[in-house]
Parts: sequence; structure tokens; C-alpha cells
Amino acid sequence: SAVISQKPSRDICQRGTSLTIQCQVDSQVTMMFWYRQQPGQSLTLIATANQGSEATYESGFVIDKFPISRPNLTFSTLTVSNMSPEDSSIYLCSVEEKGQPNNEQFFGPGTRLTVL
Amino acid sequence: DAKTTQPNSMESNEEEPVHLPCNHSTISGTDYIHWYRQLPSQGPEYVIHGLTSNVNNRMASLAIAEDRKSSTLILHRATLRDAAVYYCILRSLDSSYKLIFGSGTRLLVRP
Repeated sequence: SAVISQKPSRDICQRGTSLTIQCQVDSQVTMMFWYRQQPGQSLTLIATANQGSEATYESGFVIDKFPISRPNLTFSTLTVSNMSPEDSSIYLCSVEEKGQPNNEQFFGPGTRLTVL
Repeated sequence: DAKTTQPNSMESNEEEPVHLPCNHSTISGTDYIHWYRQLPSQGPEYVIHGLTSNVNNRMASLAIAEDRKSSTLILHRATLRDAAVYYCILRSLDSSYKLIFGSGTRLLVRP
């Protein structure tokens, strides 16, 4: 199993500002992902964080809005840029040893973001 | 993306078995059936997965229909701690085996 921590756990931000969320894993993992969970909704995959290269974004998400870094196999950041109230959500990172269909994915506790 | 259909909500009594259904009529031969659950104010956690055969682990059992077009997650004795949203997910080659969440089933456990 993998233990994942996220910082901050929650934040309240002003419109137009940016917030960087950190995800730290206690072991080296191949795959890291970022999800968004809007209030009362299910999880939506934002992107796959690739070590040493640009993240792979899902339809509807762009790098300018959600820049992602992954400098090594245990750490990643997601930045929510130029925030608006619509960005108020829980942001979760998850990890998996390898992108195989019979693998288990582990999730962090999430970062609860409120944009005023 | 391979789709799943689950009831929006279900209720159960504590210490009774719970059967959570999932329909996936467009499943392909290489799709794995995964179940995750999300407890209140937590990230999702893995429950169980299977391909063709029924599976058991310490948390639950997974019963897969012979034609694989549906499956059932079985909690043998529900506890209050099992109250959560349960997601049935197909990990498909078409989507590079990414976890794509649907709306899930909210399970309420009555004491």
C-alpha cells in the first residue's frame, strides 16, 4: 500500500489568485493522477502527472489552468490558476504502482478549496 | 469509455448483508471490474476487483455474471462504517486503464 499526504488540507482563496497543492507519497510510484470532486459530485480525472515530462490532460482540462509538476517518483504539484468560484472543489491525488488494469489505486485525503 | 449503471442510493440494516448491483452491458473482454468506495470526507479506497470469476477478500465479495454484463458487490455484514458511496468502474484498454468514476451508489446503513 501507499500512504499519501496532501498540503494544504483546505484553503480559502480570493478570485483571480492561484493555489499550488502538493502531493507526497511514502514510496516510489510509477503513476500519479489528479482528480477534482465538485460539491456533491463524483470524481473527475484532471490529468496524469508524468515524471520528467508534461502531464497528460483529460478533455476539458488545460495546462494553463491546471499546471502540474512531477519532479520525481514520490512528489507532484497541481496549481489551480486564476481561480474563480467555479473552481471550488476537493482536489485529490492518487497513485498506482503501474498502470495495469488489475492494480489498486491509492488516494490522498484531498484538498478542499473554496474560492470567494 | 465503457459505462456502468448503478442505483443512486440503497439502504441496509446494520449486520445484514448488502448486495450492490452494477450493470455494464458494453463491457469488453479485456475490461476489469473494479469497486471503490468513498467514506464521508475521505478519498476513495479500493474494495475489490475481478475479470471473470467471483472474487473474495477481507472487505467484500464480487459476483460477476456469466456474460459479464453485470456484477454485484456483496458486503456480508454491513456496519455503520460501511456507509459510503460505492463506485463500480470498468478499467478499459480504450481509456488506457484509467479510473473513470461514475455517479456511484450511496449506501445508508441503519443501526
